[in-house]
Amino acid sequence: QLQLQESGPGLVKPSETLSLTCTVSGGFISSSSYYWGWIRQPPGKGLEWIGTVYYNGVTSYYSPSLKSRITVSVDTSKNQFSLKLSSVTAADTAVYYCARQVTTADAFDIWGQGTMVTVSS
Amino acid sequence: QSVLTQPPSVSGAPGQRVTISCTGSSSNIGAGYNVHWYQHLPGTAPKLLIYGNNNRPSGVPDRFSGSKSGTSAALAITGLQAEDEADYYCQSYGGSLSGYVFGPGTKVTVL
Repeated sequence: QLQLQESGPGLVKPSETLSLTCTVSGGFISSSSYYWGWIRQPPGKGLEWIGTVYYNGVTSYYSPSLKSRITVSVDTSKNQFSLKLSSVTAADTAVYYCARQVTTADAFDIWGQGTMVTVSS
Repeated sequence: QSVLTQPPSVSGAPGQRVTISCTGSSSNIGAGYNVHWYQHLPGTAPKLLIYGNNNRPSGVPDRFSGSKSGTSAALAITGLQAEDEADYYCQSYGGSLSGYVFGPGTKVTVL
């Protein structure tokens, strides 16, 4: 059964870059049937899509509101994909989820457990 | 502010039927893009309940059903159970200007 697990620092200083990795187990990231995405949930708020990438690393889609600060990349040799969010502020404090996205339906069908990232000095 | 609108909360007694609306516009739901629904319990991973407007993934009880009409969609829960108490989110696509969008979420309370 495919599983996703987020990893990365739980605390990031303002103006620095948030870096998270999602490790895929029980299946291969290099499947033509899926995209791989990042979604976040600030405390007390709803879900917000951040970005989505295809296994080739070339095809990617980013939230227009975050596009200037985001990089999502793929490492097929490690079966991982990653998120970098630059120039973070307190508004970027959230639980960050990685998820598998079905290419034909656009639904996020398998999610990681999420990791809390706090932006604070 | 989300481009999709959901009621903040709905409630019902065990065994009752509740519906959650998800209202969009001609830029997202009304443009023909799929609507998906997720169930989210605090501290856990969101779970896909309905995909492609009205399809249930394997393992999701048939008490959950989805529909779509025009610029809106709805999730219905029949035979409400205590375990259904959670937050529910709709999701669609808003084109290149918005990308993938989630509704603000609806908290379902079982009385």
